[in-house]
Amino acid sequence: AQRVTQPEKLLSVFKGAPVELKCNYSYSGSPELFWYVQYSRQRLQLLLRHISRESIKGFTADLNKGETSFHLKKPFAQEEDSAMYYCALSGDAGNMLTFGGGTRLMVKP
Amino acid sequence: DVKVTQSSRYLVKRTGEKVFLECVQDMDHENMFWYRQDPGLGLRLIYFSYDVKMKEKGDIPEGYSVSREKKERFSLILESASTNQTSMYLCASRRPGHTYEQYFGPGTRLTVT
Repeated sequence: AQRVTQPEKLLSVFKGAPVELKCNYSYSGSPELFWYVQYSRQRLQLLLRHISRESIKGFTADLNKGETSFHLKKPFAQEEDSAMYYCALSGDAGNMLTFGGGTRLMVKP
Repeated sequence: DVKVTQSSRYLVKRTGEKVFLECVQDMDHENMFWYRQDPGLGLRLIYFSYDVKMKEKGDIPEGYSVSREKKERFSLILESASTNQTSMYLCASRRPGHTYEQYFGPGTRLTVT
């Protein structure tokens, strides 16, 4: 079975502060990890994925297989980063995508 | 531009009614998905479809069924709506393969009274 845990339901930071949204997973095979984001009144969309190893809107995420984590980081938060963030796992054994419970990020001015 | 559309943004139904939620994608994707989104629970998979006329149960299929008669359309059916099915429903589509991203529709907020 595959499982994704996001321990923080809400994360509140000031503009310019560093941000780390935590994501832990359990999966016995070779997973593909994603971060999806939902801005207010917009549809859920992909932010970044492990396989691409890229930085999107200043966010990065590194897969740590030893700690089974895929934390999302940004060195300097912006107000426009305020949104709901979901970590998701896709296992190599099938087509299902398992989502974590989500973390709401609020960036205060 | 990638497009997934859902038939309604808001829907209010009475307990016991049969409810149809429609999803259409224009990307020729084989895989389509139905999720419900609830605060604190994230997205939970109800059903998904590998291809036309093919379906598999997700994590919470009870009380739901699906139909995929055409590649572009995936319907979610609530046979007899109940108040605990009040939720936001999201449809998504994707190319086959677990490394590909899912493209989501805008969602349908269903209220069952």
